[in-house]
Amino acid sequence: EVQLVESGGGLVQPGGSLRLSCAASGFTFNSYWMHWFRQVPGQGLVWVSLINPEGTFTNYADSVRGRLTLSRDNAKNTLYLQMNSLRVEDTAVYYCARDLIRGVSDYWGQGTLVTVSS
Amino acid sequence: EIVLTQSPGTLSLSPGERATLSCRATQSVSNNYFAWYQQKPGQAPRLLIYDASSRATGIPDRFSGSGSGTDFTLTISRLEPDDFAVYFCQHYGDSPPYIFGQGTKLEIK
Repeated sequence: EVQLVESGGGLVQPGGSLRLSCAASGFTFNSYWMHWFRQVPGQGLVWVSLINPEGTFTNYADSVRGRLTLSRDNAKNTLYLQMNSLRVEDTAVYYCARDLIRGVSDYWGQGTLVTVSS
Repeated sequence: EIVLTQSPGTLSLSPGERATLSCRATQSVSNNYFAWYQQKPGQAPRLLIYDASSRATGIPDRFSGSGSGTDFTLTISRLEPDDFAVYFCQHYGDSPPYIFGQGTKLEIK
């Protein structure tokens, strides 16, 4: 069974940092592109970042580029999202997801809430 | 950048009825790279349809997708109680960003 389990969310002050993790199991992790999406509760979904299977290529939404860094450890089947210089508008539930094709995600974690507030 | 507008915002129907959800893009979507997701409160999105009309693994055949160009539709032929949720459309492609609509809430009448 495919499972994605996020962790690392919490309350942080503006300008602070967090590192989110996504532990994957039930599939060959090092064969898949992976994504992070975010969602303000009650609102729509927003794509945040992607990474290729080898971890050598990443891409980011304009709103987070330069502040968020996506990486992966294929030996540990884990995805990491380092979040720096956090802003109030980064407050959301963050989901990791497995790419099926070209940005379509067929499996999602349950999400981890990041709250940026003073 | 493409903007996706879903309609209606809220759809009130009864179990057994047919649901038709729409999503319109501000420009033509290439290769029908269009997906639909279902999301229930407190849960992650669930992929239903991709490539405009292909059902994802395990999705029952009462869910169907259609459309091309700028207009796409998700149809649920006979609503079951478990189908009442929020539905999002998504445009994807060979490179990001991957755009979502604002959602349609399907509620029990």
